[in-house]
Amino acid sequence: QKEVEQDPGPLSVPEGAIVSLNCTYSNSAFQYFMWYRQYSRKGPELLMYTYSSGNKEDGRFTAQVDKSSKYISLFIRDSQPSDSATYLCAMSVGGATNKLIFGTGTLLAVQP
Amino acid sequence: KAGVTQTPRYLIKTRGQQVTLSCSPISGHRSVSWYQQTPGQGLQFLFEYFSETQRNKGNFPGRFSGRQFSNSRSEMNVSTLELGDSALYLCASSLRTSGVGEQFFGPGTRLTVL
Repeated sequence: QKEVEQDPGPLSVPEGAIVSLNCTYSNSAFQYFMWYRQYSRKGPELLMYTYSSGNKEDGRFTAQVDKSSKYISLFIRDSQPSDSATYLCAMSVGGATNKLIFGTGTLLAVQP
Repeated sequence: KAGVTQTPRYLIKTRGQQVTLSCSPISGHRSVSWYQQTPGQGLQFLFEYFSETQRNKGNFPGRFSGRQFSNSRSEMNVSTLELGDSALYLCASSLRTSGVGEQFFGPGTRLTVL
């Protein structure tokens, strides 16, 4: 079993829809949680960074962390065709290292 | 502010050869990490350097090595290339010196092994 599980999709939604992306994990020591967006043939771009449990909002994006359920989510409101990309969750135990464990990524297509 | 840069962007090698990839972090960032991305395994951690010292290493064979210079630039080397080494190699830099900071990725080097 992988430490981080993520539904690979693909997920196809109409423009303007609310998108929900999720990851589950098994390592209760994870404390730092991130979401990255990766366009085809590009490097991952950091979208959201959270520490421990709770919610964080940034524009159309909301990240939620539920450590009791070992479950994190990314919500995208008013989705746009430009949001079409692969979304990767990543997490770390912290300490003296920046090592990230990634989910496999969810491919999202927003149809105009 | 310039982002993370990686050179070369594309590379084609044959089995048995060796390759060196370069990464220049964001100015002021002293932590540099390397990841391998493949369709089957996704993003996997290779190693992390901070102040010229390897701070952590992933589960890869000894053919994969790296180093960091005093200006924080980093290189990774793969010796005796295998077909399975074909991948996108990504470098990420972070400002944080402890804990987990925001990590910013470069565009990657796409390595093809024939």
